[in-house]
Amino acid sequence: KQEVTQIPAALSVPEGENLVLNCSFTDSAIYNLQWFRQDPGKGLTSLLLIQSSQREQTSGRLNASLDKSSGRSTLYIAASQPGDSATYLCAVGANNLFFGTGTRLTVIP
Amino acid sequence: DAGITQSPRHKVTETGTPVTLRCHQTENHRYMYWYRQDPGHGLRLIHYSYGVKDTDKGEVSDGYSVSRSKTEDFLLTLESATSSQTSVYFCAISENDYDGYTFGSGTRLTVV
Repeated sequence: KQEVTQIPAALSVPEGENLVLNCSFTDSAIYNLQWFRQDPGKGLTSLLLIQSSQREQTSGRLNASLDKSSGRSTLYIAASQPGDSATYLCAVGANNLFFGTGTRLTVIP
Repeated sequence: DAGITQSPRHKVTETGTPVTLRCHQTENHRYMYWYRQDPGHGLRLIHYSYGVKDTDKGEVSDGYSVSRSKTEDFLLTLESATSSQTSVYFCAISENDYDGYTFGSGTRLTVV
């Protein structure tokens, strides 16, 4: 069974700082890796999708990388803003997504 | 979220009663999923559908059944609700294996 781990569980940074969130998975035979954002009491919003043949994806201030051989992905957020405060979830798979438990990010004004 | 709605948004029910949650999509996507989210466990797949009347079990399917009689609707039924089924339930859709998922806003279910 695929195990997905996200470290750290919580992170606080001052506004403007660049930061990296980490995700690791145990089975490198993955289809896709997705990063989601979840605000308190809300659903999940898809941020970036990396297909298994890709190494990275970028959207605005966000950049996600994928290293299948080491079973790792990182989400890089540039110039963080208070509006980036949320829980960030990483998930791997296709018809059955396996989720990590997330990193709760707080950006302090 | 645009294109996918869940109902009800909140529900409180008694132990032993049947409960049905509804997921409705307007995107005509092939795949629909039900997940539950619990503290310390993340999201876990309950059941999914890959077409009308085509469903399969996920990681935590015991105590749950699903039905999909139309492309746009995917129903999750708790046959006899238990306190361990108190959770937030999310529906999601995707078109194929290489597309991302779109999630609904969730249903918060409390079994007392």
